Amino acid sequence: QKEVEQNSGPLSVPEGAIASLNCTYSDRGSQSFFWYRQYSGKSPELIMFIYSNGDKEDGRFTAQLNKASQYVSLLIRDSQPSDSATYLCAVINLANNLFFGTGTRLTVIP
Amino acid sequence: DAGVTQSPTHLIKTRGQHVTLRCSPISGHKSVSWYQQVLGQGPQFIFQYYEKEERGRGNFPDRFSARQFPNYSSELNVNALLLGDSALYLCASSLDRGLAVSTDTQYFGPGTRLTVL
Repeated sequence: QKEVEQNSGPLSVPEGAIASLNCTYSDRGSQSFFWYRQYSGKSPELIMFIYSNGDKEDGRFTAQLNKASQYVSLLIRDSQPSDSATYLCAVINLANNLFFGTGTRLTVIP
Repeated sequence: DAGVTQSPTHLIKTRGQHVTLRCSPISGHKSVSWYQQVLGQGPQFIFQYYEKEERGRGNFPDRFSARQFPNYSSELNVNALLLGDSALYLCASSLDRGLAVSTDTQYFGPGTRLTVL
C-alpha cells in the first residue's frame, strides 16, 4: 500500500468553479500535510500546509484535514486557467521525511 | 535571497556510468533532501541529510548514495546507471527547527534532468 494516494485525474473544471482535490494517507502517526503545485517542466512549489484537524484557508485555497479518516483535501475557489497544474499531496513522517502522492492533474477550462 | 540551486541542469549518461548531482540549499537551511521524479509520478524520497548526518533513506538500492558538506551543500551519487534511473532529480532544503510536530517547509530547486541511454 502506498503511503499517500491521490486520484491522478485528469480533473477538469470550468473557470470560476471550485476544484476539489483529495488525498489519503496510510501512516496514522503522520503529523503534517502539505499541498504543492507543479507546473509542467518545473519543480514543486508549496501552496500550504496543515497539521490540525479542520479547515485552513489561504486566499482562494482551503486545506481540510480529517485525521480519523486519514484524509486531506484541497479546495480551490474561483478557479483560474493559471491554476492548471499538477497538485501534489505530501505527508511528513515521524523522521521528518516527506512522502508524495502521484499528483492530480487539474485543467481549468476558460 | 537565492533559492535552492542544483547543477547541472541536464545530463546525459550511458548505462553503467556514474553520476554526481549537486545541490546548494537556501542560506541558513541545514536540512537537504533528494527526490527522484519520473514522468507522470510524484517525487519519490531518496535521502534526507541534517547537519551532515543521514536522517532518512527511501526505498532505493545501494547504488544511490549521498553526503552533506560542512557548508550544508549536498551531493547525490548514482553508480552503475540503469535506463530506469532516467528522471528529474530534485533537491529540497528546509530550516528544520527541530519541532516535535514538524511543519518544516521544504523548498525545491529546479532539478537536474538525467537521461540514461
